[in-house]
Amino acid sequence: AQSVTQLDSHVSVSEGTPVLLRCNYSSSYSPSLFWYVQHPNKGLQLLLKYTSAATLVKGINGFEAEFKKSETSFHLTKPSAHMSDAAEYFCVVTFTGTASKLTFGTGTRLQVTL
Amino acid sequence: EPEVTQTPSHQVTQMGQEVILRCVPISNHLYFYWYRQILGQKVEFLVSFYNNEISEKSEIFDDQFSVERPDGSNFTLKIRSTKLEDSAMYFCASRNLQEGTQYFGPGTRLLVL
Repeated sequence: AQSVTQLDSHVSVSEGTPVLLRCNYSSSYSPSLFWYVQHPNKGLQLLLKYTSAATLVKGINGFEAEFKKSETSFHLTKPSAHMSDAAEYFCVVTFTGTASKLTFGTGTRLQVTL
Repeated sequence: EPEVTQTPSHQVTQMGQEVILRCVPISNHLYFYWYRQILGQKVEFLVSFYNNEISEKSEIFDDQFSVERPDGSNFTLKIRSTKLEDSAMYFCASRNLQEGTQYFGPGTRLLVL
């Protein structure tokens, strides 16, 4: 079985400060891991993905995530938050190389304040 | 850049009515998916579809639900007799054979009254 746990339902940061959104996964097989972002009343946009290549993955809008097998983690970071980063972020897992379903975490709402 | 499209963007229906949600996946993609997100909850997998048949479905996807690829471009989700608890945002996604990334459409917000 596969699952993801997003440790924070809500994170608030000031503009210009670092962002850390935490995700731990559980998977019996080699996982593929993703971060998707959902802005209010919008669809799901892919931020970045890990599929067994480099463990540090760079995505769009300055976001990156590091796959740590020993910690079963895939935390999302950004050095400096921007107001436009305010959104819901989902950590997602699936099995590598299959047509398998995506399993979503419960989401982390990122608030960015002035 | 190619994208997944969904119609309608919003649909309001009466309980017990049938609804059909439509999706046009990215043209060279071969795997298709439906997910739903009840307001305030996480995104849940409903069904995956490949080679004109269902490859996997969740417990949510009961006999009231069906999927079809009627014409080689559209991918539809039908709910035969809607219930209040079917109110949700429904997302379609597609992926190609080589890449593991699923690309999502903007969603259809379904409200059952």
